[in-house]
Amino acid sequence: GESVGLHLPTLSVQEGDNSIINCAYSNSASDYFIWYKQESGKGPQFIIDIRSNMDKRQGQRVTVLLNKTVKHLSLQIAATQPGDSAVYFCAEKTDSWGKLQFGAGTQVVVTP
Amino acid sequence: DGGITQSPKYLFRKEGQNVTLSCEQNLNHDAMYWYRQDPGQGLRLIYYSQIVNDFQKGDIAEGYSVSREKKESFPLTVTSAQKNPTAFYLCASSLAGGHPEQFFGPGTRLTVL
Repeated sequence: GESVGLHLPTLSVQEGDNSIINCAYSNSASDYFIWYKQESGKGPQFIIDIRSNMDKRQGQRVTVLLNKTVKHLSLQIAATQPGDSAVYFCAEKTDSWGKLQFGAGTQVVVTP
Repeated sequence: DGGITQSPKYLFRKEGQNVTLSCEQNLNHDAMYWYRQDPGQGLRLIYYSQIVNDFQKGDIAEGYSVSREKKESFPLTVTSAQKNPTAFYLCASSLAGGHPEQFFGPGTRLTVL
């Protein structure tokens, strides 16, 4: 498969534990943020999004936290499973049109 | 099934040859995008199109060209002017230019020999 995460920061998590993936964004004017999951050799898949007027949003087993003061975004995955092993990207909407700026990504490895 | 298709999944070309990557969507999305992904890096925007017959350069457009003659299709040509074309190329689409969520295709891995 495609190895897109050779030199990425890696988070090793034991199966069943919670994962926290962090992202620092660059533009204080960004008003929308997305987390994507990318499995080896595949295109990114949408996980969850959050608008800048919120500081927390929950989905199924995932929670996104937004701290605009320090321009920090995090993704929490509850009860991490082997299928959660992937590269996770944060993206911010940087203009009114909708252009997304992607972070470098974090490789999550789930161990049994 | 609605979605975005990219073909082929793997593509090999000799140095100095132009190559065109296909991207088709049946989601009725107005906006389409091309990204390049290299190991250890995030996605970098090559070109985007908000509407048929219109497109704009992204952050790394040099050595690439696109066309948008149909709403469903946004082919990317990697020209011989692109100095380091070997990469994973991703196509995406969204409802309209201001709608942030982008849906991605499976990608094409281009290797230039």
